[in-house]
Amino acid sequence: GAGVSQSPSNKVTEKGKDVELRCDPISGHTALYWYRQSLGQGLEFLIYFQGNSAPDKSGLPSDRFSAERTGGSVSTLTIQRTQQEDSAVYLCASSRNQGRGRRNEQYFGPGTRLTVT
Amino acid sequence: AQTVTQSQPEMSVQEAETVTLSCTYDTSESDYYLFWYKQPPSRQMILVIRQEAYKQQNATENRFSVNFQKAAKSFSLKISDSQLGDAAMYFCAYRSGVGAGGTSYGKLTFGQGTILTVHP
Repeated sequence: GAGVSQSPSNKVTEKGKDVELRCDPISGHTALYWYRQSLGQGLEFLIYFQGNSAPDKSGLPSDRFSAERTGGSVSTLTIQRTQQEDSAVYLCASSRNQGRGRRNEQYFGPGTRLTVT
Repeated sequence: AQTVTQSQPEMSVQEAETVTLSCTYDTSESDYYLFWYKQPPSRQMILVIRQEAYKQQNATENRFSVNFQKAAKSFSLKISDSQLGDAAMYFCAYRSGVGAGGTSYGKLTFGQGTILTVHP
């Protein structure tokens, strides 16, 4: 596709349920990032993938959060036993991650707004 | 760890006038990038302008320009001839530079954002 896509656009779930958020990066982009945007914490990094491996998971807030990437493409962010404080917009970005200049720019998807009731 | 600070939660400007958004950052690295992103109500983060720390010349993109003061660790965004479509949340962001082998691991560290309102 032309850009990064994310699904669903909006998700409302009950406290305690599990949710899966999906990200389709730009074709050929080896790097993929998840960020979270919430009122209290601003925009924060969650996890970084290079290919299918995740060398940096330092931003995941708890062990209820996990992510995987398959085929060097699609990534899924899973939140188990959701809590109200998980309510936020989850943004995904991808890049080529090589060299200088525009080749390593991050392109963002439109995000998934998660509401935990 | 790097930090990015935007001290202006909200700014406003009249259409066709100029506005400057402030950003300061803290880092011990010498090679890094700085960015300004725009986020309209659609949530889509749009890259406005980028600056590489090793370049002394300030970046410009049409009506958008930056004032990059490396020693002061300051990176402000100037929007000239403001348009109604410029209204959005603006984020300043930091990223480490190119590492060994040309790879560029680049998680972004964002400031808190500045809401820009443009009055007709």
